[in-house]
Amino acid sequence: KAGVTQTPRYLIKTRGQQVTLSCSPISGHRSVSWYQQTPGQGLQFLFEYFSETQRNKGNFPGRFSGRQFSNSRSEMNVSTLELGDSALYLCASSLFLGETQYFGPGTRLLVL
Amino acid sequence: GESVGLHLPTLSVQEGDNSIINCAYSNSASDYFIWYKQESGKGPQFIIDIRSNMDKRQGQRVTVLLNKTVKHLSLQIAATQPGDSAVYFCADYTSGTYKYIFGTGTRLKVLA
Repeated sequence: KAGVTQTPRYLIKTRGQQVTLSCSPISGHRSVSWYQQTPGQGLQFLFEYFSETQRNKGNFPGRFSGRQFSNSRSEMNVSTLELGDSALYLCASSLFLGETQYFGPGTRLLVL
Repeated sequence: GESVGLHLPTLSVQEGDNSIINCAYSNSASDYFIWYKQESGKGPQFIIDIRSNMDKRQGQRVTVLLNKTVKHLSLQIAATQPGDSAVYFCADYTSGTYKYIFGTGTRLKVLA
């Protein structure tokens, strides 16, 4: 079974731009979570989607948003990029809420 | 507030020795715990998990111990190999909040 896939793997943007990241979960998984990982920091929870509905949200500003499609694929968007948004953005999928999460390789975003 | 912390940021062990990575959590209502391994340039990889109704679980060369009394979690790796070099994260989950909280990670270095 294919793992979680994320596209693109690398992105370079400038301040003020917006970016959309994509995540395809493991086949059959219905829950998708997003995390931000920065050097020296742990994984910071962004949000989780299940059945196209946001079920939980972390402490990030409204510039960070996401959505989930009927096929469980998910996208996250960051608007008005700031230098501090440079990070590895990880997507994780699970069968249902509260089940073991399996991570993708991440999208490394660099904001200049 | 809730937190999951790691006692040591870096752990160096000789190849062939056993490794022990520790983790403290603060939410007594947490009922599910996971250890992940993250190699450079990759997303976190599931290693082993444990529910709060257990105090020990064994996998292939790995054992997780849970002490709910002192809210402590540990990962033991037997006969540590060079391929075990990575950052290890613990995470706890509380049913009802649908939220995972990750530690900042411990870097394991295996010395030849």
